[in-house]
Order: sequence, then structure tokens, then C-alpha cells
Amino acid sequence: DAGVTQSPTHLIKTRGQQVTLRCSPISGHKSVSWYQQVLGQGPQFIFQYYEKEERGRGNFPDRFSARQFPNYSSELNVNALLLGDSALYLCASSRAYEQYFGPGTRLTVT
Amino acid sequence: GDSVTQMEGPVTLSEEAFLTINCTYTATGYPSLFWYVQYPGEGLQLLLKATKADDKGSNKGFEATYRKETTSFHLEKGSVQVSDSAVYFCALSLQETSGSRLTFGEGTQLTVNP
Repeated sequence: DAGVTQSPTHLIKTRGQQVTLRCSPISGHKSVSWYQQVLGQGPQFIFQYYEKEERGRGNFPDRFSARQFPNYSSELNVNALLLGDSALYLCASSRAYEQYFGPGTRLTVT
Repeated sequence: GDSVTQMEGPVTLSEEAFLTINCTYTATGYPSLFWYVQYPGEGLQLLLKATKADDKGSNKGFEATYRKETTSFHLEKGSVQVSDSAVYFCALSLQETSGSRLTFGEGTQLTVNP
């Protein structure tokens, strides 16, 4: 089976712009979570979705939003980008308590 | 709140040396515990897990035992290889209160020299 896939791989944006990141979970997984990993730090939880419903939200501003589609894929949107939003954004799909991560999208804000 | 603390790194070892990476946690309930590994330029891979006290997780020669009395989950390997060079993250999940949300430590960079 294919693993978690994310697109795009890399992205460069300027301050104030908006960005959309995409994630496709492992087949059969209904839950998707998003994490932000700033260079040199551990990943920080942003959102979790299960069956298209938001099940959890981390300590991130309202500029961050997400949604999950009927096929369980997900999008993460970030508005009004700041330099501090530069990070690796990881998507994970899960069944029960184990999470499986995608390769991430590297976002650079200039 | 829930948190994970890893030993300050980085760690540099010679091939075939013994590895220990310390991890302690603070949680309001009874968490599941994980070790993830991240190779350069890649996402995170689940290395091993333990879901209750005294459980031992193991994979690829790595082991960690869930110690409730010391709130610890230290990662060990008897003989490291150059290919083990990566960043290792300890993490916890409180399924009953926060679903499968993971709380990570800061990570420990391991470099193994030939």
C-alpha cells in the first residue's frame, strides 16, 4: 500500500501571501493530523480531523485552518504568512493510536 | 500540560558503541509512548511503541521500556551502525483525552562515525 503523500514538496512564498498544502492518507485511514516542525525542534500539533470533523486543535492562530474531504484527504491553509511560518509541515494518518507520517512540505516564507 | 523531555544532544558515537537516549514525560493520564526517527530530508518513521506500564517496545535492535514509576521511556541499542545516524524523537499520546494527537520532545541528533 502507498504511504501518506503530501504536495507540494517545497514551496516558497512571500510575507502576507496565502498557502494551501495537501495530504492523502494511507488507504483505510480515516484520521488525518497536521504538524509544524520548525528547524531543530520537535513537531508541534496543529489539527486533527476524523471523518471530516475537527477533533483537535493545537495552539496556533486563526490564520491556520484545515479541512478533510469525503475521500479522507486533507488540506491545510495558512493565511497572511509570516516569516515564522517557515517550517516543515507534516501530515500523518492514523488508525487507532499509531500515526504514520508523510515526507512533509517544506515551506519557506521570504 | 503534557510534555516530553529528551536528553540534551547531539550524541556522537563510534560504530558498535552502546546507545542510550533518555526520555521522560509528564502526563495527566496514562499515555502511549513512542520513538520516531527522522533521516535527513525525510518525514518521521515510527521506530517502536509501548502502550502500558512495563511494556517493552523493540524494532531493528532498538528497545525502550515503559517505566511508569520513573515516567521514562529511554531508547537503547547495543551496537549502533553508521546507518543509525538520524534525529530521534520521543513522543506521547493520550488517546482517551486527545485522540491520537502526539506530543513530541525536542529530538536528539545521533551521529555514528565509522
